[in-house]
This record gives sequence, C-alpha cells and structure tokens, in this order.
Amino acid sequence: SQTIHQWPATLVQPVGSPLSLECTVEGTSNPNLYWYRQAAGRGLQLLFYSVGIGQISSEVPQNLSASRPQDRQFILSSKKLLLSDSGFYLCAWSGGWGYGYTFGSGTRLTVV
Amino acid sequence: DAKTTQPPSMDCAEGRAANLPCNHSTISGNEYVYWYRQIHSQGPQYIIHGLKNNETNEMASLIITEDRKSSTLILPHATLRDTAVYYCIVRGYNNAGNMLTFGGGTRLMVKP
Repeated sequence: SQTIHQWPATLVQPVGSPLSLECTVEGTSNPNLYWYRQAAGRGLQLLFYSVGIGQISSEVPQNLSASRPQDRQFILSSKKLLLSDSGFYLCAWSGGWGYGYTFGSGTRLTVV
Repeated sequence: DAKTTQPPSMDCAEGRAANLPCNHSTISGNEYVYWYRQIHSQGPQYIIHGLKNNETNEMASLIITEDRKSSTLILPHATLRDTAVYYCIVRGYNNAGNMLTFGGGTRLMVKP
C-alpha cells in the first residue's frame, strides 16, 4: 500500500535561518507531488507541484523553493525564513487525473 | 476548474444526518466533484468523489443534482469525530498537474 511520510512534525526556526522540509512517498511510482501551506485559521494554499523528477511548478511567488531530486522525494526549502513563512505545511501525492490526493501529517512551522 | 460555493459553517446534532451543500453552477461536463475534510491540525482526508451519478462509500454519500450544478455530501449518522472543515472541490481533466484548489469549506460542528 502507498504511504506518505513528512517530517519534522513541528519546527521552530529563527527569522533568517534556512529551511528544509522533506516528503517521501512509498508504494507507488511517478506520483504527482504537491506542497500546500495553511496559515493559522486560513485555507490551504498550493505552493508547488511536480509531475516528475526535476519538474517543479510554482503557484505563488514567495520566499520558498521546491525540488524533486528523486521520483518519490519532494523537498521544500528556503534560504532565509521570514515571519510570514509560519504555518502548517502539507505534502500530498496523487496518482494522476481521476485519483484523489493523499496528504501527509504536516509540519507546523513557527518562525520567531 | 469550476468554482464552488459552500456555507461557512453548519451545526449538526450527534447521531443525526449531516447534509453539507455545495454549489458549482459553472461545472463543465468532464469535471468531477471531490469532497475532502480536515480535522483540526491534521492533513485533509479524502471522502468521496463523483461525476454525475450518486455515490456511496463507508464514510458518506454524495448526491449530485441532475444538472450537476450542485451536490450534497451526506454523513448519515454524524459523530463528534466528524467535526471538521469539509471542502467541496471541482476538478477537470485539463487541469495541468492534477491540482486541487481548496476554497473556504464548511466548518461542521457536531454537538452532543
């Protein structure tokens, strides 16, 4: 069966520090991968998606970047965090059109 | 993808059926209706999806009107654990990257 792993679960980082959040999927190949962010009390905002290795599409211009170095690995990064980067970050995968999404358990990032 | 409209909040008594409406009047012929829910501090969870026929699974039933301009998610016997934000999403075949765009959703509060 397919599983999605996301870590860490919580993270407190100072302003200006770098960020690296990792997401991996098991039990499937060539998944579509997504990063979403949810600010406190707000809806989910799609940040990046990837349909294959090295293929990244950005939905919102921001302080963040994403990479997909391997088929089932999706990384969200920042060189210098801002206070506004705080939020709940969710990774998800999909088998393609017609398939639903499976979300990871999320990372709660607090930038202080 | 077509836009959806949902009431921001609803209450339901425990043990009663919860009927969550969604309006998607601009839906086109190849667009599916998906429902997800998000329990506090967790990633969204897939519930059900459909094209034009009514659908039922172990979690819920989805009733889509004949003109497909609206749908209703039915939780037949709501429990306190069903308290969550419920998202109705319309997604089409030409959606590059198979993206899901989340709106504001309906915050369902199940009360004892």
